[in-house]
Amino acid sequence: KAGVTQTPRYLIKTRGQQVTLSCSPISGHRSVSWYQQTPGQGLQFLFEYFSETQRNKGNFPGRFSGRQFSNSRSEMNVSTLELGDSALYLCASVEGTRRPTDTQYFGPGTRLTVL
Amino acid sequence: AQTVTQSQPEMSVQEAETVTLSCTYDTSESDYYLFWYKQPPSRQMILVIRQEAYKQQNATENRFSVNFQKAAKSFSLKISDSQLGDAAMYFCAYRTYTGANSKLTFGKGITLSVRP
Repeated sequence: KAGVTQTPRYLIKTRGQQVTLSCSPISGHRSVSWYQQTPGQGLQFLFEYFSETQRNKGNFPGRFSGRQFSNSRSEMNVSTLELGDSALYLCASVEGTRRPTDTQYFGPGTRLTVL
Repeated sequence: AQTVTQSQPEMSVQEAETVTLSCTYDTSESDYYLFWYKQPPSRQMILVIRQEAYKQQNATENRFSVNFQKAAKSFSLKISDSQLGDAAMYFCAYRTYTGANSKLTFGKGITLSVRP
């Protein structure tokens, strides 16, 4: 099976702009989670989607939003970009059963730089 | 709230030697799962090993094993016969599958270098 894909891999934006990142999970996986990775804060959970519904949400401002489509592909959007939003954004794909054997498979990430 | 602490930011090991990476966590849950993830310089995160809290037996995966001390809330990773390919950032993570806390909580990570 193909792995988790994320597009684009690199992105440069300026403050105030908005950005949309995309994640395609492994075929058959119904759940997608998003994480923000920065040197200072480490890995922080953004949100989790399962069957097009947000199942869990981290402590991020409303500028961060996401959605999931019927084919399980997910997008996250950041509006009114700030310098502090510069980070590696990771997407993780999982079957979604919440069984202990469920494993999160991570994508390569999207490196967002805000100037 | 659940927290995961990795107090050592960096470690170094000689090739073929053994190294132990430390992790402690804090939770009020009784049923949870602990993980070690590896993030090589290419940045693709992969699962190294998983431990269910209800299991007393420590998990092992080839050269990787854990020392799980539930009462002490400690979860260390031992890498035996270290190889150059083990050089990466290692993250300890916690997850429960109940309610709103069902998400992966990561530690800050530790950068492991392997000396040839």
